[in-house]
Amino acid sequence: EDQVTQSPEALRLQEGESSSLNCSYTVSGLRGLFWYRQDPGKGPEFLFTLYSAGEEKEKERLKATLTKKESFLHITAPKPEDSATYLCAVQDNYGQNFVFGPGTRLSVLP
Amino acid sequence: DGGITQSPKYLFRKEGQNVTLSCEQNLNHDAMYWYRQDPGQGLRLIYYSQIVNDFQKGDIAEGYSVSREKKESFPLTVTSAQKNPTAFYLCASSIGGTPNHGYTFGSGTRLTVV
Repeated sequence: EDQVTQSPEALRLQEGESSSLNCSYTVSGLRGLFWYRQDPGKGPEFLFTLYSAGEEKEKERLKATLTKKESFLHITAPKPEDSATYLCAVQDNYGQNFVFGPGTRLSVLP
Repeated sequence: DGGITQSPKYLFRKEGQNVTLSCEQNLNHDAMYWYRQDPGQGLRLIYYSQIVNDFQKGDIAEGYSVSREKKESFPLTVTSAQKNPTAFYLCASSIGGTPNHGYTFGSGTRLTVV
């Protein structure tokens, strides 16, 4: 059974203080790993798709990386507007659907 | 602009009542999904549909029902058989079965039992 865990559950950073969020997964053949951002009371917004170990994707202050067992979302010099919950999801080679992790709630203080 | 519209944003249900959540998309996506989100848990799949007039149960389908009479619409009914319906419900869509960009989500409906 596919599983996704995320750590930490919550993270509080000062503006400009870089850090990383972790997504660990167990999947029977990875088709893709997805990162989403979710603001309170809103639906998740797509950020990245990663397909194979060693792959990296960047968008503004965010960089996602992938290994065979986990993915990291690195946040460089975050700003208060980066505050959100970040969700990780995996899709395996056999199933139609995704398995989501519980998310990491990020707060960036000015 | 294309997107997914969920309504209402907030919904209150009395014990024993059925309620229907609306989901409409104008993205011309084939597949549509319903997820439930509870605090501290990952999104859990309720139902999904890949084509009109066809749908499949997800991981937590008990107490829910859906229909897919039009490509654009995928309403979810929360029946009285669902014992703990208070949650945030998300509708999503994708172009096909292997979405390279994952899902496009709606803005959600928060259902509360009163």
